[in-house]
Amino acid sequence: EVLLVESGGGLVQPGGSLRLSCAASGFTFRSYDMHWVRQVPGKGLEWVSGIGVGGDTYYAASVKGRFTVSREDAKDSMYLQINSLTVGDTAIYYCARNEPGNYEALDVWGQGTLVTVSS
Amino acid sequence: DIQMTQSPSSVSASVGDRVTITCRASQGVSSWLAWYQQKPGKAPRLLIYAASSLQRGVPSRFSGRGSGTDFTLTINSLQPEDFATYYCQQTKSFPFTFGPGTKVDIK
Repeated sequence: EVLLVESGGGLVQPGGSLRLSCAASGFTFRSYDMHWVRQVPGKGLEWVSGIGVGGDTYYAASVKGRFTVSREDAKDSMYLQINSLTVGDTAIYYCARNEPGNYEALDVWGQGTLVTVSS
Repeated sequence: DIQMTQSPSSVSASVGDRVTITCRASQGVSSWLAWYQQKPGKAPRLLIYAASSLQRGVPSRFSGRGSGTDFTLTINSLQPEDFATYYCQQTKSFPFTFGPGTKVDIK
């Protein structure tokens, strides 16, 4: 079964940091571009970051300079280092993959991990 | 950045109805457009990629059309399990922006 499982979310104070993880199974992780998408509860989806199979990285303007995406193919895992957190970063963070050849659409998603930024 | 808009923001419909949702990009994205369905408390689910290609396992009552800046998602013969929020996303260039969503609820 193809599966993505996020972890690492939690309650953090403004200005703090977190490292989110995305563990993949059931597919050849190293062959897929991977992404992070977030959603404020009750609101819409926001694409946050992506990382290609070669390690090239991409970010939304709202997080550039504060978020760092990385991957460790040997562990079938992707990470999102989030620094200088603000209340506006409170959201459910999903990891997702895009299948090669499907116009970069995100075909498998994890269940999400909730990040709450509050004092 | 490419901005995505959707209309309507919400629609009330009955089982068996045909529903059409429109998505517009602020600049041309060719066919680099995907549609997702999301139910409360769940992760999004890919329905359509490349503007009109049906993802494996998605019922054929879902269809997508369009190219360039204007796209539609049509649900023929709405089923009870189709009541959800639908998002479009452009994947032509980073950042891969989403539309604001269209909520389909029960009339």
